[in-house]
Amino acid sequence: EAGVVQSPRYKIIEKKQPVAFWCNPISGHNTLYWYRQNLGQGPELLIRYENEEAVDDSQLPKDRFSAERLKGVDSTLKIQPAELGDSAVYLCASSSRRSGLVADTQYFGPGTRLTVL
Amino acid sequence: GQNIDQPTEMTATEGAIVQINCTYQTSGFNGLFWYQQHAGEAPTFLSYNVLDGLEEKGRFSSFLSRSKGYSYLLLKELQMKDSASYLCAVRKGSTLGRLYFGRGTQLTVWP
Repeated sequence: EAGVVQSPRYKIIEKKQPVAFWCNPISGHNTLYWYRQNLGQGPELLIRYENEEAVDDSQLPKDRFSAERLKGVDSTLKIQPAELGDSAVYLCASSSRRSGLVADTQYFGPGTRLTVL
Repeated sequence: GQNIDQPTEMTATEGAIVQINCTYQTSGFNGLFWYQQHAGEAPTFLSYNVLDGLEEKGRFSSFLSRSKGYSYLLLKELQMKDSASYLCAVRKGSTLGRLYFGRGTQLTVWP
């Protein structure tokens, strides 16, 4: 079974530029999560989708961040404009009630490391 | 935040046993997860506890005490490849709810 796929793996941009990240979850996983991980910290949730619906976006900075999951499969996370403080690793995870032996375990992709100069 | 606390760093030698502790304070507790994260890689699932007690899986075991808000991850027969960050995460609310992560414990295994 293929894991969560993310691209790009690395992105370097100048501040005020836009950037977008893409995630393809594990096949059949209806729930998709975007997390941000700062250096030396644990991941923090930005947004959670149930199929196409964003059901938890309370931590998403909506003035500059947006996300979509139009067909309930792939998702994109966008930042416009990027700021220096946005430098972090952006992780995508997915889960399903049928995933593995543990109810609703979240499986993570490799992440996109963003550097804002 | 959910006041999840774990040591920042630990060291141990090959073949030894190490215990990584995690304490938390939260309402609506719905499970505690341990993830392993090698540098530059994705967190990978290690274990899950929702009821009190010990869960054993090969060289790894995890313990939970809900009344004390306490968990530990026990790693036996340490190998060099076990050098990684170990993340404690608490799930709150539904089984599809968000995970609240600790800062991670960086474990270094020496030969």
